[in-house]
Formats: sequence, structure tokens, C-alpha cells
Amino acid sequence: SQQGEEDPQALSIQEGENATMNCSYKTSINNLQWYRQNSGRGLVHLILIRSNEREKHSGRLRVTLDTSKKSSSLLITASRAADTASYFCATVQAGTALIFGKGTTLSVSS
Amino acid sequence: DARVTQTPRHKVTEMGQEVTMRCQPILGHNTVFWYRQTMMQGLELLAYFRNRAPLDDSGMPKDRFSAEMPDATLATLKIQPSEPRDSAVYFCASAKQGQVAEAFFGQGTRLTVV
Repeated sequence: SQQGEEDPQALSIQEGENATMNCSYKTSINNLQWYRQNSGRGLVHLILIRSNEREKHSGRLRVTLDTSKKSSSLLITASRAADTASYFCATVQAGTALIFGKGTTLSVSS
Repeated sequence: DARVTQTPRHKVTEMGQEVTMRCQPILGHNTVFWYRQTMMQGLELLAYFRNRAPLDDSGMPKDRFSAEMPDATLATLKIQPSEPRDSAVYFCASAKQGQVAEAFFGQGTRLTVV
């Protein structure tokens, strides 16, 4: 079963614009992860935010977490064509396995 | 450069044939996952192992799928007999003890069953 659900399913923007993706989850978590998947490739871990954190930055990525609303957002600032990929949120269930949402497909055009 | 290696990268097979996918986890990682990705279902967890022992394979169709870890450097996922609905990309991922959230994924095996 899916734990996280991303919104929107697809997003198209121009280079230089910001991209915001949202994730909602169902059960209590210890942390939440965002992963990226380039077309035809495996997933790559981007960032982890713990349940006691509200915001975290990594380069052009900013992740927020609202545990009261069971939601997270991923913001990519000043997007580039190379950011074109699918982005997934994931949580660890029962401390043992990552469960992924269906992802947001981001397309950045130059 | 440590990485998870999956073979083969692509496999086309006829319905009813046996398919074996292999995964070499990153050295020192004791947790291994198998996922299946399709457009309709997204990423589904099939099975995972810790220290080579299967912890959960409830996501796997038991009648035709089997997953094993013959040793710490090899995980296998077998489908017998294969069916067209098994067509998907199968990913293996590995993680260190206590760092399951930051799993490393292989490039996947794209399986097409005709």
C-alpha cells in the first residue's frame, strides 16, 4: 500500500522558475525522504527530514514538514533542465522498509 | 564508487518462461529490498532482507515469485512461470544497518513478458 501521495502528478515549468511538489502521508512517521528518478534510471536519495524538523535545506532544495497535517513539500528553486525527473516522497514503515508515493513528474524546459 | 548492480538491465521473455534477476548490494549494506515499478501501481515493495534473512515478502505473488539471498553479495528475484502482467521495471536497493531511509537503488531490470 502507498503511504505518501504526491501532488501534482505532473508539473511543467520554465528554467529559472521554482517548482513545488507536495506529499501527504497517512500514518505517524519518524522521518520522511524525497527521492529523484531520472528517466530510465534508479532512484536517488535527495534529502531526509526528521519528524522534529520543520524545514531543511540542501543546495537549491528546500523541504518542509508539517506533522499536524501529515504533509511535506519539496521546493526546487531556480530550476534547470537537468532537474527534469520524477520526484517521490517516501516514509519508513515499521522501521524496516521504504514505502513510496506515486511521484510528481517535473518537466523543466529551457 | 559504491553502487548497487543489477543484471540483466533488460529482459524480454515469452510467457511461461522462468526469469531470474540478480542484484549485488553495496558491500557492507545488510538490508536489501526488491521493488517493482509500473505506470499504474507506481513503486511496490515486493520483499526485503536483513542480514540475508527474509523479513517480509507479503508484497510478492507467492505462487510464482521467489526471492533469495544465497550470500551477502547476491540477491535474486525469480519469476516462474512469467506472465505478461509481470512486465515492469524491477529495482533492487540496499541500505546500511539503521539507515533504511537512505537506500541506494540499482538501475533496474526492465522485464517484458510477451
